Amino acid sequence: DIQMTQSPSSLSASVGDRVTITCQASQDISNYLNWYQQKPGKAPKLLIYDASNLETGVPSRFSGSGSGTDFTFTISSLQPEDIATYYCQQYDNLLPYTFGQGTKLEIK
Amino acid sequence: EVQLVESGGGLVKPGGSLRLSCAASGFTFSSYSMNWVRQAPGKGLEWVSSISSSSSYIYYADSVKGRFTISRDNAKNSLYLQMNSLRAEDTAVYYCARDEGQLVYWGQGTLVTVSS
Repeated sequence: DIQMTQSPSSLSASVGDRVTITCQASQDISNYLNWYQQKPGKAPKLLIYDASNLETGVPSRFSGSGSGTDFTFTISSLQPEDIATYYCQQYDNLLPYTFGQGTKLEIK
Repeated sequence: EVQLVESGGGLVKPGGSLRLSCAASGFTFSSYSMNWVRQAPGKGLEWVSSISSSSSYIYYADSVKGRFTISRDNAKNSLYLQMNSLRAEDTAVYYCARDEGQLVYWGQGTLVTVSS
Protein backbone atom coordinates (compact mmCIF):
# COMPACT_ATOMS: atom_id res chain seq x y z
CA ASP A 1 0.00 0.00 0.00
CA ILE A 2 1.07 3.57 -0.65
CA GLN A 3 1.87 5.51 2.52
CA MET A 4 1.28 9.25 2.77
CA THR A 5 3.43 11.32 5.12
CA GLN A 6 1.91 14.69 5.86
CA SER A 7 3.57 17.51 7.77
CA PRO A 8 3.34 19.33 10.00
CA SER A 9 0.78 17.61 12.21
CA SER A 10 -0.24 20.97 13.64
CA LEU A 11 0.32 24.56 12.68
CA SER A 12 -0.40 27.90 14.30
CA ALA A 13 -0.52 30.98 12.09
CA SER A 14 -1.89 34.51 12.06
CA VAL A 15 -4.68 35.87 9.90
CA GLY A 16 -3.16 36.94 6.59
CA ASP A 17 -0.21 34.54 6.82
CA ARG A 18 0.81 32.23 4.02
CA VAL A 19 0.40 28.63 5.16
CA THR A 20 2.03 25.59 3.59
CA ILE A 21 1.41 21.89 4.22
CA THR A 22 3.36 19.10 2.58
CA CYS A 23 2.52 15.53 1.73
CA GLN A 24 4.98 12.88 0.60
CA ALA A 25 3.97 9.60 -1.02
CA SER A 26 5.96 6.40 -0.50
CA GLN A 27 6.04 5.88 -4.27
CA ASP A 28 5.30 7.79 -7.44
CA ILE A 29 1.60 8.64 -7.62
CA SER A 30 1.81 11.01 -10.59
CA ASN A 31 -0.75 13.72 -9.78
CA TYR A 32 -3.34 11.46 -8.14
CA LEU A 33 -3.46 13.54 -5.00
CA ASN A 34 -6.38 15.35 -3.38
CA TRP A 35 -6.65 17.78 -0.47
CA TYR A 36 -9.58 17.99 1.96
CA GLN A 37 -10.63 20.38 4.68
CA GLN A 38 -12.48 19.07 7.73
CA LYS A 39 -14.10 21.22 10.36
CA PRO A 40 -15.11 19.75 13.75
CA GLY A 41 -18.20 17.58 13.57
CA LYS A 42 -18.41 17.84 9.78
CA ALA A 43 -17.58 15.61 6.86
CA PRO A 44 -14.42 16.36 4.89
CA LYS A 45 -14.73 18.80 2.01
CA LEU A 46 -12.72 18.44 -1.19
CA LEU A 47 -10.64 21.53 -1.92
CA ILE A 48 -8.02 20.45 -4.48
CA TYR A 49 -8.09 17.47 -6.83
CA ASP A 50 -5.41 15.99 -9.07
CA ALA A 51 -2.76 17.87 -7.10
CA SER A 52 -3.47 21.34 -8.42
CA ASN A 53 -7.07 21.72 -9.57
CA LEU A 54 -9.35 23.89 -7.47
CA GLU A 55 -12.74 22.33 -6.79
CA THR A 56 -15.69 24.43 -7.90
CA GLY A 57 -16.66 27.07 -5.38
CA VAL A 58 -13.44 26.87 -3.37
CA PRO A 59 -11.76 30.25 -2.77
CA SER A 60 -8.71 30.99 -4.89
CA ARG A 61 -6.50 31.52 -1.81
CA PHE A 62 -6.27 27.72 -1.70
CA SER A 63 -3.84 26.05 -4.09
CA GLY A 64 -1.92 22.83 -4.59
CA SER A 65 1.16 21.76 -6.47
CA GLY A 66 3.47 18.82 -6.99
CA SER A 67 3.71 15.52 -8.77
CA GLY A 68 5.39 12.19 -8.29
CA THR A 69 6.03 11.87 -4.57
CA ASP A 70 6.10 15.42 -3.23
CA PHE A 71 3.08 17.68 -2.92
CA THR A 72 2.31 21.05 -1.37
CA PHE A 73 -0.93 22.67 -0.24
CA THR A 74 -0.96 26.42 0.29
CA ILE A 75 -3.31 28.99 1.74
CA SER A 76 -2.05 32.31 0.40
CA SER A 77 -3.68 34.50 3.07
CA LEU A 78 -5.11 32.71 6.07
CA GLN A 79 -8.66 33.63 7.02
CA PRO A 80 -10.41 32.86 10.33
CA GLU A 81 -12.81 30.48 8.58
CA ASP A 82 -9.88 28.37 7.40
CA ILE A 83 -9.38 26.92 10.87
CA ALA A 84 -9.75 23.19 10.31
CA THR A 85 -7.82 19.99 9.83
CA TYR A 86 -6.44 19.34 6.36
CA TYR A 87 -5.79 15.93 4.80
CA CYS A 88 -4.09 14.75 1.66
CA GLN A 89 -5.36 11.58 -0.07
CA GLN A 90 -3.83 9.53 -2.85
CA TYR A 91 -5.74 7.46 -5.38
CA ASP A 92 -3.02 6.18 -7.67
CA ASN A 93 -3.39 2.55 -8.74
CA LEU A 94 -6.91 2.71 -7.38
CA LEU A 95 -7.40 1.11 -3.98
CA PRO A 96 -6.71 1.23 -1.13
CA TYR A 97 -7.05 4.96 -0.90
CA THR A 98 -4.76 6.33 1.78
CA PHE A 99 -4.88 9.59 3.66
CA GLY A 100 -2.18 11.63 5.29
CA GLN A 101 -2.26 11.91 9.06
CA GLY A 102 -3.81 15.37 8.93
CA THR A 103 -2.66 18.90 9.77
CA LYS A 104 -4.57 20.79 12.43
CA LEU A 105 -4.48 24.49 11.63
CA GLU A 106 -5.03 27.03 14.40
CA ILE A 107 -5.05 30.80 14.61
CA LYS A 108 -2.17 32.37 16.52
CA GLU B 1 -28.68 18.20 -5.18
CA VAL B 2 -26.52 15.22 -4.27
CA GLN B 3 -27.36 13.82 -0.86
CA LEU B 4 -25.91 10.92 1.08
CA VAL B 5 -27.54 10.04 4.39
CA GLU B 6 -26.05 7.37 6.65
CA SER B 7 -27.98 5.52 9.33
CA GLY B 8 -27.68 2.47 11.52
CA GLY B 9 -24.95 3.51 13.91
CA GLY B 10 -25.17 2.97 17.64
CA LEU B 11 -23.72 1.27 20.67
CA VAL B 12 -22.79 -2.38 20.32
CA LYS B 13 -20.83 -4.81 22.50
CA PRO B 14 -17.50 -6.27 21.37
CA GLY B 15 -18.14 -9.24 19.12
CA GLY B 16 -21.50 -7.85 18.06
CA SER B 17 -22.85 -6.85 14.67
CA LEU B 18 -24.28 -3.75 13.09
CA ARG B 19 -25.51 -2.85 9.61
CA LEU B 20 -24.99 0.64 8.29
CA SER B 21 -27.00 2.11 5.45
CA CYS B 22 -26.39 5.05 3.15
CA ALA B 23 -29.34 6.46 1.22
CA ALA B 24 -28.33 8.29 -1.95
CA SER B 25 -30.32 10.86 -3.91
CA GLY B 26 -29.80 13.60 -6.48
CA PHE B 27 -27.66 11.54 -8.87
CA THR B 28 -27.68 8.29 -10.82
CA PHE B 29 -26.54 6.02 -8.00
CA SER B 30 -26.01 3.01 -10.27
CA SER B 31 -23.32 4.87 -12.23
CA TYR B 32 -20.87 5.40 -9.38
CA SER B 33 -18.59 3.36 -7.20
CA MET B 34 -19.12 4.05 -3.52
CA ASN B 35 -16.91 3.99 -0.45
CA TRP B 36 -17.06 3.78 3.31
CA VAL B 37 -14.51 5.89 5.17
CA ARG B 38 -14.25 6.02 8.95
CA GLN B 39 -12.77 8.31 11.56
CA ALA B 40 -12.05 7.20 15.09
CA PRO B 41 -12.60 9.84 17.79
CA GLY B 42 -9.87 12.46 17.56
CA LYS B 43 -8.08 10.55 14.79
CA GLY B 44 -7.60 10.83 11.05
CA LEU B 45 -9.50 9.43 8.10
CA GLU B 46 -9.29 5.74 7.20
CA TRP B 47 -10.68 4.24 4.01
CA VAL B 48 -12.69 1.09 4.86
CA SER B 49 -14.26 -0.39 1.75
CA SER B 50 -15.27 0.27 -1.83
CA ILE B 51 -17.80 -1.26 -4.22
CA SER B 52 -18.04 -0.67 -7.95
CA SER B 53 -21.21 0.53 -9.63
CA SER B 54 -22.44 -2.97 -10.51
CA SER B 55 -20.94 -4.67 -7.43
CA SER B 56 -18.43 -6.46 -9.64
CA TYR B 57 -15.42 -5.15 -7.73
CA ILE B 58 -15.23 -5.00 -3.96
CA TYR B 59 -12.26 -4.01 -1.83
CA TYR B 60 -11.59 -3.85 1.89
CA ALA B 61 -8.96 -2.40 4.17
CA ASP B 62 -6.89 -5.10 5.83
CA SER B 63 -8.20 -3.94 9.20
CA VAL B 64 -11.77 -5.03 8.36
CA LYS B 65 -11.26 -7.82 5.83
CA GLY B 66 -13.22 -10.92 6.78
CA ARG B 67 -15.40 -9.04 9.26
CA PHE B 68 -17.12 -6.34 7.18
CA THR B 69 -19.19 -6.78 4.02
CA ILE B 70 -20.06 -3.96 1.67
CA SER B 71 -23.08 -4.21 -0.62
CA ARG B 72 -25.47 -2.04 -2.56
CA ASP B 73 -28.97 -2.09 -3.95
CA ASN B 74 -29.12 0.10 -7.04
CA ALA B 75 -32.90 -0.23 -7.24
CA LYS B 76 -33.14 1.32 -3.79
CA ASN B 77 -30.27 3.80 -4.26
CA SER B 78 -28.68 2.41 -1.14
CA LEU B 79 -25.26 1.38 0.09
CA TYR B 80 -24.69 -0.93 3.05
CA LEU B 81 -21.94 -2.02 5.39
CA GLN B 82 -22.50 -5.17 7.39
CA MET B 83 -20.10 -5.15 10.33
CA ASN B 84 -19.54 -8.37 12.27
CA SER B 85 -17.16 -9.34 15.07
CA LEU B 86 -16.87 -5.72 16.07
CA ARG B 87 -13.93 -4.58 18.15
CA ALA B 88 -13.28 -1.53 20.31
CA GLU B 89 -10.98 -0.21 17.60
CA ASP B 90 -13.89 -0.11 15.14
CA THR B 91 -15.38 2.75 17.16
CA ALA B 92 -15.64 5.62 14.71
CA VAL B 93 -17.84 7.87 12.67
CA TYR B 94 -18.55 6.05 9.42
CA TYR B 95 -19.04 8.10 6.26
CA CYS B 96 -20.25 6.99 2.88
CA ALA B 97 -18.71 8.86 -0.05
CA ARG B 98 -19.22 8.86 -3.79
CA ASP B 99 -16.15 7.72 -5.68
CA GLU B 100 -14.64 9.72 -8.49
CA GLY B 101 -11.04 9.08 -7.45
CA GLN B 102 -11.58 12.17 -5.44
CA LEU B 103 -14.34 11.98 -2.83
CA VAL B 104 -16.48 14.99 -3.66
CA TYR B 105 -19.70 14.02 -1.92
CA TRP B 106 -19.86 12.69 1.64
CA GLY B 107 -22.66 11.91 4.02
CA GLN B 108 -22.88 13.46 7.47
CA GLY B 109 -21.61 10.28 9.10
CA THR B 110 -23.02 7.82 11.62
CA LEU B 111 -21.31 7.00 14.92
CA VAL B 112 -20.52 3.42 15.82
CA THR B 113 -19.42 2.79 19.39
CA VAL B 114 -18.11 -0.63 20.37
CA SER B 115 -18.03 -0.96 24.12
CA SER B 116 -19.11 -3.32 26.86
